[in-house]
Amino acid sequence: GESVGLHLPTLSVQEGDNSIINCAYSNSASDYFIWYKQESGKGPQFIIDIRSNMDKRQGQRVTVLLNKTVKHLSLQIAATQPGDSAVYFCAGDGNQGGKLIFGQGTELSVKP
Amino acid sequence: DADVTQTPRNRITKTGKRIMLECSQTKGHDRMYWYRQDPGLGLRLIYYSFDVKDINKGEISDGYSVSRQAQAKFSLSLESAIPNQTALYFCATRPTVGVSQETQYFGPGTRLLVL
Repeated sequence: GESVGLHLPTLSVQEGDNSIINCAYSNSASDYFIWYKQESGKGPQFIIDIRSNMDKRQGQRVTVLLNKTVKHLSLQIAATQPGDSAVYFCAGDGNQGGKLIFGQGTELSVKP
Repeated sequence: DADVTQTPRNRITKTGKRIMLECSQTKGHDRMYWYRQDPGLGLRLIYYSFDVKDINKGEISDGYSVSRQAQAKFSLSLESAIPNQTALYFCATRPTVGVSQETQYFGPGTRLLVL
């Protein structure tokens, strides 16, 4: 079946460094991807999205890269701050009634 | 996101009890979703609805039912709660049209413990 998975369950970075969180997906027909941030005790919060007709999209301190050839996307966070500590999920459009397929999540820890 | 609210935020119940989780939204979105989250398993879809009275099963609907009597409300019921339904439950909404219409907006979650 379809899957969206993350390469690493945890990532620890130093404050001020750049963070890269990776995600792989299996459905080549997926044409929309989202990154969510989930802080402890809260619901997932939208960060950035990208459509399959794009390779890169930038937001404020965040960049999402999409490589359709290898079905991989990544989230880059520049100058990582303590407030960036959270679990990050990637999700892909399963093309079935608007359902999103979620990865398991990567926990990002930022060391001061 | 205060536009999507869930009640209760925490609930402890006993095996065999019927319970209902409520979700309300002021975003005016047609589409609503219920997910459960378990450690290491990410978010899994239970049910979703595209409009009032429209109900569709997700990947793990067994043991659950839903009701969509109004656009702004989507309730999830556990008919006879069992311990492996202990989880964090999220409601989400999504617009039908507009920029980034695939984006889903999540409520704060309901933490359910079944003893």
